[in-house]
Amino acid sequence: NAGVTQTPKFQVLKTGQSMTLQCAQDMNHNSMYWYRQDPGMGLRLIYYSASEGTTDKGEVPNGYNVSRLNKREFSLRLESAAPSQTSVYFCASSVSANTGELFFGEGSRLTVL
Amino acid sequence: AQKITQTQPGMFVQEKEAVTLDCTYDTSDPSYGLFWYKQPSSGEMIFLIYQGSYDQQNATEGRYSLNFQKARKSANLVISASQLGDSAMYFCAMSVFMYSGGGADGLTFGKGTHLIIQP
Repeated sequence: NAGVTQTPKFQVLKTGQSMTLQCAQDMNHNSMYWYRQDPGMGLRLIYYSASEGTTDKGEVPNGYNVSRLNKREFSLRLESAAPSQTSVYFCASSVSANTGELFFGEGSRLTVL
Repeated sequence: AQKITQTQPGMFVQEKEAVTLDCTYDTSDPSYGLFWYKQPSSGEMIFLIYQGSYDQQNATEGRYSLNFQKARKSANLVISASQLGDSAMYFCAMSVFMYSGGGADGLTFGKGTHLIIQP
C-alpha cells in the first residue's frame, strides 16, 4: 500500500538554488497539503489544495509555490532556496477538505547551505 | 483562526504507567474535529485517535483514549499501560469544518510533547 509518496527523501541545496518536491497519493483523495516541520514549532501549513484545480495559501507560504498537477499529484517548488527553508517537509492528503484526518507521506528532509 | 496549545514539551514516564498528554484548543466554530498523531524517531506521522465536536462519548482506540472536555476546550490523550514503544513525539491537531462553501484548510497542529517511556 503506497499511500502518500514523496520524493526526494533527502536533499541538500545551496542558497539560491531551486528545487521541486514531488508528492503523489493513490487513495483517490480530493485534498492535498504541504507542511513543514521545524524543531519546537510543530507542523505548519504551507499550501493546500482542497480539490483538483484549486490551491490556497496556508500559514507560511512565502518563498514557495505549488502545483496541483492532477488529482494524484501536488508539487512544492522552492524558486530560490534560503537557509530559513531548511526543514522537514510533509505532504498529506485527505478524502476531502471537510473530513479532517490527514494521511502523511514519510517526509523530505531539506538542508539549504 | 484556531489554535492548539500543548503545554508539556517533554515527559518521562515509567513503563506500564498511564500517561496523560495535555491539549487545549481555541476556536469559535461550533463544528470541529480533534486529532492526535504520533511521530516516532523514524519520522513518520501516525494517526492515533479522532474526536468530533458533537460526539457525545469520548473516543477510544485500543490503549488510547481522548478525554474530551468541551466546556474547558481540552482534548487530552490518555495512554493506558505505557510501553517502551510509546516513546515518541505526540501532536494534538484540530480541523474546523465549514458548513458550506470552502472546506477546512487542513489541520492546525500544536508544538508537540516528547514522551519518553523508561523501563
